Amino acid sequence: GAGVSQSPSNKVTEKGKDVELRCDPISGHTALYWYRQRLGQGLEFLIYFQGNSAPDKSGLPSDRFSAERTGESVSTLTIQRTQQEDSAVYLCASSLLPGDFSPLHFGNGTRLTVT
Amino acid sequence: QKEVEQNSGPLSVPEGAIASLNCTYSDRGSQSFFWYRQYSGKSPELIMFIYSNGDKEDGRFTAQLNKASQYVSLLIRDSQPSDSATYLCAVDQNFGNEKLTFGTGTRLTIIP
Repeated sequence: GAGVSQSPSNKVTEKGKDVELRCDPISGHTALYWYRQRLGQGLEFLIYFQGNSAPDKSGLPSDRFSAERTGESVSTLTIQRTQQEDSAVYLCASSLLPGDFSPLHFGNGTRLTVT
Repeated sequence: QKEVEQNSGPLSVPEGAIASLNCTYSDRGSQSFFWYRQYSGKSPELIMFIYSNGDKEDGRFTAQLNKASQYVSLLIRDSQPSDSATYLCAVDQNFGNEKLTFGTGTRLTIIP
């Protein structure tokens, strides 16, 4: 079946512009997660959704970052006024249920480059 | 700040040998521990998880957890060239995987 789909796969933007990243989780997965992977670093938790609610937004680096999920399906991560330090691969994952050990299924990521 | 530490490698292991990957974590209250494999240019995929002290075996993989020492390891028996990848250790404060803290990974190369 279809896996987690992310778009765009690559995004180059100028400093100061806004970007929107999209994630389509596996159908039926109630939990959705956003992580960031900077070059040479580990994955960094940003936010997770249980249904359409985000119980934990503590990982969002600043108020320039926001995320939403609708219809217990697609999620968008928006970065306003992008900075060069925002350059990273943004990974979305989904799992059947939150708070248990059902595996996180990751998408292929969006590689964001801020020039 | 909660940290997960891994030797970045590269770790080179002959085909057929046992590969041993290690991870330490700083938050003594951590409850759940995961090993993910990430092939170059690909996304991470779960290998296994462990939450009780001791060993957990799944095929050629064995995870070992020692909470007193804040140490978790992954053993890969009968290493194959297809095992060549970066292995990520991840830790959750709670019982589950809602909010993982990842290490930077250990790059493993299996030499034919």
